[in-house]
Amino acid sequence: AQSVTQLDSHVSVSEGTPVLLRCNYSSSYSPSLFWYVQHPNKGLQLLLKYTSAATLVKGINGFEAEFKKSETSFHLTKPSAHMSDAAEYFCVVRGRGNTGTASKLTFGTGTRLQVTL
Amino acid sequence: AAGVIQSPRHLIKEKRETATLKCYPIPRHDTVYWYQQGPGQDPQFLISFYEKMQSDKGSIPDRFSAQQFSDYHSELNMSSLELGDSALYFCASSLESGGNTIYFGEGSWLTVV
Repeated sequence: AQSVTQLDSHVSVSEGTPVLLRCNYSSSYSPSLFWYVQHPNKGLQLLLKYTSAATLVKGINGFEAEFKKSETSFHLTKPSAHMSDAAEYFCVVRGRGNTGTASKLTFGTGTRLQVTL
Repeated sequence: AAGVIQSPRHLIKEKRETATLKCYPIPRHDTVYWYQQGPGQDPQFLISFYEKMQSDKGSIPDRFSAQQFSDYHSELNMSSLELGDSALYFCASSLESGGNTIYFGEGSWLTVV
């Protein structure tokens, strides 16, 4: 079984300040973890992914995330927020599927990031 | 690079009508997922396919059916449409082995009036 918990439904930051979006997961196996961003009325865009290589993962638009197995966390950070970062962010766990089946994807409930002047 | 293609992008149907959404995965991807996202909601898993066989089912109504064809494209058929079916429907594709990235299409907006 696997699950994802995004600890904050809303985060508000000022432009130019750091961003922290929190994600905790549980999985029976070493999972693949993803962060996706969704701008209003748009599709899901991949920000970054962790697939058991380096624990610090760098993504697009200055975002990065650190996989911490001991804390079962995969928090998303950015040093300096930009107005264009305002969007919904989803943490997704991809678990190992049975042989001959698709992997199971589990979405977090999303975090809405608001960026103010 | 080719992405996941969904069609149509927008669709308006009346109650009790039928709608068909299509998804063309990235070439050589063997897995397709369908999700439904209502207004202000999180994506809800509907169904997945691996190598043209149904793999897993989520909260897909009995009025909905889906299949994956020999060319790996997938279709989601929705019948007896209800107002509550109005949503953004996402398709995603992936190569199953090695924890590969899941790529999402832009989605198909279905409005039931």
